[in-house]
Amino acid sequence: AQTVTQSQPEMSVQEAETVTLSCTYDTSESDYYLFWYKQPPSRQMILVIRQEAYKQQNATENRFSVNFQKAAKSFSLKISDSQLGDAAMYFCAYRSALASGGGADGLTFGKGTHLIIQP
Amino acid sequence: DSGVTQTPKHLITATGQRVTLRCSPRSGDLSVYWYQQSLDQGLQFLIQYYNGEERAKGNILERFSAQQFPDLHSELNLSSLELGDSALYFCASSPRDSYTEAFFGQGTRLTVV
Repeated sequence: AQTVTQSQPEMSVQEAETVTLSCTYDTSESDYYLFWYKQPPSRQMILVIRQEAYKQQNATENRFSVNFQKAAKSFSLKISDSQLGDAAMYFCAYRSALASGGGADGLTFGKGTHLIIQP
Repeated sequence: DSGVTQTPKHLITATGQRVTLRCSPRSGDLSVYWYQQSLDQGLQFLIQYYNGEERAKGNILERFSAQQFPDLHSELNLSSLELGDSALYFCASSPRDSYTEAFFGQGTRLTVV
């Protein structure tokens, strides 16, 4: 079974600075997807960024980028120019790219990192 | 707004009771996923339905069951409720069976007293 580990229960960053959230995962599969989801106090789960394991290029979405290191099974999220609205729980998640029909096909989540933005 | 609708938003019930949570996926999405978020276990995948058929099971208890109806809405049935079942239950939907991203509803907060 796959596991996802987020080793930072809480992180704090000054507004306008850059912060990196860590995520490692364990899998024997070669093809999979990785995600970062944001959960603000409203509880809504919002997709921040997605990475396909077969792509070597790191995904970027505006101020959000990832550092995907497949050999090290590491998938960190960098938030540049942090804004107050970025304050939330951030979850790293894994999904196998195998077709469904055998085993769990949902997302495997880490425990989350609580990101605090200091004004 | 993700387009996924979950009702009710909050539910308080007693131990031993049975409840039904409802999810309406985004228009056109065929896959529905149920997740449980609790302080103890974090976010856990429970079950997936695709176009009316069960497709994958995660950490779903035998006391829990789900179904997806012809109009594609889904219901999660929780029975013989225990205090430990108190959690936030999310539904997510995606357009295809093998999705690359899923859209989450706002969740149903279940409190068992």
